[in-house]
Amino acid sequence: ETGVTQSPTHLIKTRGQQVTLRCSSQSGHNTVSWYQQALGQGPQFIFQYYREEENGRGNFPPRFSGLQFPNYSSELNVNALELDDSALYLCASSPTALKRDEQYFGPGTRLTVT
Amino acid sequence: LAKTTQPISMDSYEGQEVNITCSHNNIATNDYITWYQQFPSQGPRFIIQGYKTKVTNEVASLFIPADRKSSTLSLPRVSLSDTAVYYCLVGDYGAPPFNKFYFGSGTKLNVKP
Repeated sequence: ETGVTQSPTHLIKTRGQQVTLRCSSQSGHNTVSWYQQALGQGPQFIFQYYREEENGRGNFPPRFSGLQFPNYSSELNVNALELDDSALYLCASSPTALKRDEQYFGPGTRLTVT
Repeated sequence: LAKTTQPISMDSYEGQEVNITCSHNNIATNDYITWYQQFPSQGPRFIIQGYKTKVTNEVASLFIPADRKSSTLSLPRVSLSDTAVYYCLVGDYGAPPFNKFYFGSGTKLNVKP
């Protein structure tokens, strides 16, 4: 069983640029959630996708957007990057969008904005 | 909205039992409580989940009082490898598209030899 994978591992971007982060969910999982984790803080929920539709969103501006594909992999897009966007971005997949479902996290993508 | 509060850090010694408490005063009727463990440069890993009373698995126990406004993660006989950050997660589940998840700030557990 393949776990959750994310790419790239590390990324350096300049303020104002755009970035796309990718996530492959665990086999058999149709729900993907994205989190932002700043250094020394807990993960902050960005949004969740269930069967290619947004299924919930945290307090992030519209420049944070996402996609989920028919194979349930997902992308996180961030436009007009700001210095405060520097963080570890975590993707988590779960078997369904039910409240009791365990989330399986990937290793994350470390984004640095300069 | 259900949000959580945890102690920032805790120290323990190998072989001791560790109890970490999370406060979630505004938890909703349908919310579950989940605990995750995170090592540096890794994603969080599921430890245990519960709704009420007590849940036990091979690595931990979770105690939830009747009012569900708090929960306590119990780690029996910790070892050095249990040094990590522990997060309490409460879901805010509404009709789609209103799912939200709230991680606490985490408790840094330092296990000493």
